[in-house]
Amino acid sequence: DVKVTQSSRYLVKRTGEKVFLECVQDMDHENMFWYRQDPGLGLRLIYFSYDVKMKEKGDIPEGYSVSREKKERFSLILESASTNQTSMYLCASSSRVPFEAFFGQGTRLTVV
Amino acid sequence: AQRVTQPEKLLSVFKGAPVELKCNYSYSGSPELFWYVQYSRQRLQLLLRHISRESIKGFTADLNKGETSFHLKKPFAQEEDSAMYYCALSGQSNTGKLIFGQGTTLQVKP
Repeated sequence: DVKVTQSSRYLVKRTGEKVFLECVQDMDHENMFWYRQDPGLGLRLIYFSYDVKMKEKGDIPEGYSVSREKKERFSLILESASTNQTSMYLCASSSRVPFEAFFGQGTRLTVV
Repeated sequence: AQRVTQPEKLLSVFKGAPVELKCNYSYSGSPELFWYVQYSRQRLQLLLRHISRESIKGFTADLNKGETSFHLKKPFAQEEDSAMYYCALSGQSNTGKLIFGQGTTLQVKP
């Protein structure tokens, strides 16, 4: 059974804090993704990684960075959290040709 | 650039009625297209992909390259079909970047 696991279901952080969202997959997938899910805006790609240490910006990378030091782990970093980054964050992984992307359970981040 | 547009935020139908969820895309090459579904309190999951030409839970979707569309259809909606549906596109590239649309909430009333 494919598993994509996000480290937290709910997080509350203060404005200006550095925030780490962690994601781990156990299917040896090459690709990993971070999305924001907001009502009316759908899933917007923040960053995408197609190999260890390789990354590509998505549609909304501003205010975020990522790290992929190991194939199974993809971290999303908010260098200085702001209230407009309050959202649901979804991690996903897929094989090189993404016939199927598998999603984590999501992290609901609230920045106060 | 890759872009996916789902024009309807909400589609509300009665049980037994036909359903069509619209999806249009923008991509200069040959795309791979998918429909994903998220049921209440569940993870987002793949429903179907155009390359497989399959029918899942009674849903089908046909890629129309001329109209750049990939609409999702079901002849008779069931209450359990109520969910959020996302259309997604992956361009034919080595990296496999996956882009989603805005999503459509399908509400099937009894």
